[in-house]
Amino acid sequence: EAGVTQFPSHSVIEKGQTVTLRCDPISGHDNLYWYRRVMGKEIKFLLHFVKESKQDESGMPNNRFLAERTGGTYSTLKVQPAELEDSGVYFCASSQEDTMLYGYTFGSGTRLTVV
Amino acid sequence: GEDVEQSLFLSVREGDSSVINCTYTDSSSTYLYWYKQEPGAGLQLLTYIFSNMDMKQDQRLTVLLNKKDKHLSLRIADTQTGDSAIYFCAEYMNSGYSTLTFGKGTMLLVSP
Repeated sequence: EAGVTQFPSHSVIEKGQTVTLRCDPISGHDNLYWYRRVMGKEIKFLLHFVKESKQDESGMPNNRFLAERTGGTYSTLKVQPAELEDSGVYFCASSQEDTMLYGYTFGSGTRLTVV
Repeated sequence: GEDVEQSLFLSVREGDSSVINCTYTDSSSTYLYWYKQEPGAGLQLLTYIFSNMDMKQDQRLTVLLNKKDKHLSLRIADTQTGDSAIYFCAEYMNSGYSTLTFGKGTMLLVSP
């Protein structure tokens, strides 16, 4: 089966611009997660979808970040307007069940650079 | 303070054993994981251990868990150059939300 797919793999934008990241989870996985790693820091949780509903968005840093998962398939994460501190790697992950027994499958990430 | 702490860098020679350490702070952690990130790739789940276990072995990987000290380690036997990567320790707390708390990652460099 195809893994978790993220694109773009890299994005360089200017401060104040808008960027939209996309994640295609493994087919049939109801649970979709967004994480990000700011340079040199921990990988931090952003939010969790169950199908099209936001189960937990406690990690979203501020209202410049908007995540959607219309139809419960792919998800987008929009940053508007982007700031310098938003630079980092954004990871998406999916799982079939809401269980942590085997962790979940991550995508390759989108490296976002805001200049 | 940080929930999960790791040393940032480890350098070993090919064929040696590598030991990557991690400390966590939440005693209610139920699962603990080791993820590997190779350059340009995503996070790959290497292994996991339940909090009621002390040790888990999987081929060249050995995970040791000391719950009293909240210390987790990953030992890689016969380290190869292909093992060079960033290794992340992560904990899951059964708080009703399936989120992971990661450390900053340990960069393992294996030299020939």
